[in-house]
Amino acid sequence: DGGITQSPKYLFRKEGQNVTLSCEQNLNHDAMYWYRQDPGQGLRLIYYSQIVNDFQKGDIAEGYSVSREKKESFPLTVTSAQKNPTAFYLCASSLSGSGHNEQFFGPGTRLTVL
Amino acid sequence: DQQVKQNSPSLSVQEGRISILNCDYTNSMFDYFLWYKKYPAEGPTFLISISSIKDKNEDGRFTVFLNKSAKHLSLHIVPSQPGDSAVYFCAATNQGGKLIFGQGTELSVKP
Repeated sequence: DGGITQSPKYLFRKEGQNVTLSCEQNLNHDAMYWYRQDPGQGLRLIYYSQIVNDFQKGDIAEGYSVSREKKESFPLTVTSAQKNPTAFYLCASSLSGSGHNEQFFGPGTRLTVL
Repeated sequence: DQQVKQNSPSLSVQEGRISILNCDYTNSMFDYFLWYKKYPAEGPTFLISISSIKDKNEDGRFTVFLNKSAKHLSLHIVPSQPGDSAVYFCAATNQGGKLIFGQGTELSVKP
């Protein structure tokens, strides 16, 4: 059945290491998004991609990088340059990157930096 | 600059009563609004939406009201059930596909 998967569910990393979070969707959606959630701050947009091989920075892109080589995949790399990487990371997708489209979310990855 | 605000971090309601969650926005270009429900350690799930050409949209126990002049929307849940206990986020967009989320309101429905 269709949906969005994120792996792993929990991730621990040592300070100074890069780590990549996986996001895959089989909904045939064109657009994909990465958010982080911190307590009391809602969901903040990191990066988004409206179509394959294209992506744009969101509101808090510093210290993160993405790629969109395949329609179904949008991995997020948290680099050592990200000052406060411990957070809950959510991936989402929508049918299109324009107009009024509901976004569907994955189950999230909890990243903890030790 | 917080374009979408949910000023109540939490709300407690008795089972069977009405829950009213509020959301304010500042950008008059927003033309589509959504409510999402989120349980701990899970991704948000879409609940209900409303276009700016309407002032009300209803889906079962959930109704969203939009007051454009006040730049205010609200989600009514009636009757409230213990399973409704979750964090509720409102979000807004203006055709660009990007959603701007509020901070969320944690609803607790007591049996």
